[in-house]
Amino acid sequence: SQKIEQNSEALNIQEGKTATLTCNYTNYSPAYLQWYRQDPGRGPVFLLLIRENEKEKRKERLKVTFDTTLKQSLFHITASQPADSATYLCAVYNNNDMRFGAGTRLTVKP
Amino acid sequence: EAQVTQNPRYLITVTGKKLTVTCSQNMNHEYMSWYRQDPGLGLRQIYYSMNVEVTDKGDVPEGYKVSRKEKRNFPLILESPSPNQTSLYFCASSFGLQGGTEAFFGQGTRLTVV
Repeated sequence: SQKIEQNSEALNIQEGKTATLTCNYTNYSPAYLQWYRQDPGRGPVFLLLIRENEKEKRKERLKVTFDTTLKQSLFHITASQPADSATYLCAVYNNNDMRFGAGTRLTVKP
Repeated sequence: EAQVTQNPRYLITVTGKKLTVTCSQNMNHEYMSWYRQDPGLGLRQIYYSMNVEVTDKGDVPEGYKVSRKEKRNFPLILESPSPNQTSLYFCASSFGLQGGTEAFFGQGTRLTVV
């Protein structure tokens, strides 16, 4: 069956460290993958998109990698700040449809 | 300002009483969809629409209806709500999916069915 799994429900790190979140997918061949940020009680907000022919994408302190052999995307936040605390969702595009992982709740402690 | 607007934000209703949650976008997007979000389950797609008069089921369509009579609006209808439809609902829109464009989400509707 098709699955999208994000590495853990919650991740706690110290301010200034790099946060690394994982998204693994099974039985998909996505043309692209997206990452969103969601704050409590709010709708998800788009962060980055990476296509199947791209290995890496960067935007300010954010970096996303996409390994179609491993069927995995990694999402990195460098020099993390308490304001980065939120839930991060990966989304996979497949057959005219977007499917989301359950998300990883990141807490950055000062 | 580009946005997706859902109404109402909060709703408490009783079992069996028909309700409609409205969704409107001002970006001329072709693709619109509805999700429900439950703890530990993430966002699950209910229905989506590729364009006017074109709708299709997502992962959890049972108990829901949608319509797309105009491009900007995509209402979600619960004909006979039940307590297991208590959830946080999000509407989203984008220009389309094939090209890979970001989805814009509404602010959410928290529905409680008692």
